[in-house]
Amino acid sequence: GESVGLHLPTLSVQEGDNSIINCAYSNSASDYFIWYKQESGKGPQFIIDIRSNMDKRQGQRVTVLLNKTVKHLSLQIAATQPGDSAVYFCATETGANNLFFGTGTRLTVIP
Amino acid sequence: DAGVIQSPRHEVTEMGQEVTLRCKPISGHNSLFWYRQTMMRGLELLIYFNNNVPIDDSGMPEDRFSAKMPNASFSTLKIQPSEPRDSAVYFCASSLSTGGGYGYTFGSGTRLTVV
Repeated sequence: GESVGLHLPTLSVQEGDNSIINCAYSNSASDYFIWYKQESGKGPQFIIDIRSNMDKRQGQRVTVLLNKTVKHLSLQIAATQPGDSAVYFCATETGANNLFFGTGTRLTVIP
Repeated sequence: DAGVIQSPRHEVTEMGQEVTLRCKPISGHNSLFWYRQTMMRGLELLIYFNNNVPIDDSGMPEDRFSAKMPNASFSTLKIQPSEPRDSAVYFCASSLSTGGGYGYTFGSGTRLTVV
């Protein structure tokens, strides 16, 4: 079956440092990947996505890297700010428009 | 657009009672999803609709759960009878299209507590 896992359940970083959140997925047919941010009391919020024909995509302060060979996805946040503190989920999609979510990594930014 | 709108935000009910959660997707989105989030199991897909038609309900825990989408702007998730183990945050999400490659927009969720 489909599974999406995260290497670390929690991550603490100093304000201003870069953060890297990792995700492993199991289905080699996955063709679309999304990172979501969930703040306390809110629903998951789209951050950035990447399709399987790419290995890197950049947004504002965020970069997603995709390594299909080892089925690994990462989210890099540059110059982490207190407002980045949240739970981050990776999600994969395999054609049928049905997202599978990982268990989440809680990022804490230390001022 | 106001985004995906869910109601109520919080619901506390007694075991055995019927609970109805409501969702209004983003106008123009034709896919709608119901998720349940718990600490133990994370985000679980319960059911999703495409053009108001249920496509996959394999995630619905049991017959006590049912979902409907009578039109493009409204969906309900009903639990009858409710049990304490149903306590969770229930999210509704909508997407522009099927076929993949479109991110989902989530509502703020309904926190359900069954006592």
